[in-house]
Amino acid sequence: EDQVTQSPEALRLQEGESSSLNCSYTVSGLRGLFWYRQDPGKGPEFLFTLYSAGEEKEKERLKATLTKKESFLHITAPKPEDSATYLCAVRRVASGTYKYIFGTGTRLKVLA
Amino acid sequence: EAGVAQSPRYKIIEKRQSVAFWCNPISGHATLYWYQQILGQGPKLLIQFQNNGVVDDSQLPKDRFSAERLKGVDSTLKIQPAKLEDSAVYLCASSYRTGGSGNTIYFGEGSWLTVV
Repeated sequence: EDQVTQSPEALRLQEGESSSLNCSYTVSGLRGLFWYRQDPGKGPEFLFTLYSAGEEKEKERLKATLTKKESFLHITAPKPEDSATYLCAVRRVASGTYKYIFGTGTRLKVLA
Repeated sequence: EAGVAQSPRYKIIEKRQSVAFWCNPISGHATLYWYQQILGQGPKLLIQFQNNGVVDDSQLPKDRFSAERLKGVDSTLKIQPAKLEDSAVYLCASSYRTGGSGNTIYFGEGSWLTVV
């Protein structure tokens, strides 16, 4: 069965304390892994798409990486404004169409 | 470029009442999605349209939920009658097409429903 698991569920960091969020998946026919940021009361905001193992994408303090079984979102020297829930989603082919499966997210809190 | 527009942003109704949510996708996006997000969970797909045709509605509770996209642009999601467990954020999203390299889903701000 397709599964997307994110860990940890919640993470508290001091400003400047680097860390990584994990997204592990069990999906057949992967056609992309997506990272989103979701602020309270808002819809998810697109961050990155990764398509193949070994691929990396960077944006400001964020770097996403992908292996055959998991993806990491590395946060370098975070700031309080990085506090949000980070969602990952995988896309697979099913019955001739693409399906997206979301994880439950990691709630990140960065303390000043 | 304007994003995905949704209304209303917030709605409180009593159980057994009805509610409707409206969505206007990004201009030119053929694929439209309605997701349900319960507090603390990830978004769950309710229905996916390609133009004005339904691609996937396997997780839509059809006894109480309905959705339409008559002209292939904006869409309405209706719940009737509402139950307490329908309290959630209803997210509308759109993409240029269903799949393919470079395709991305973009979300609206969501419509927050509280059923009391």
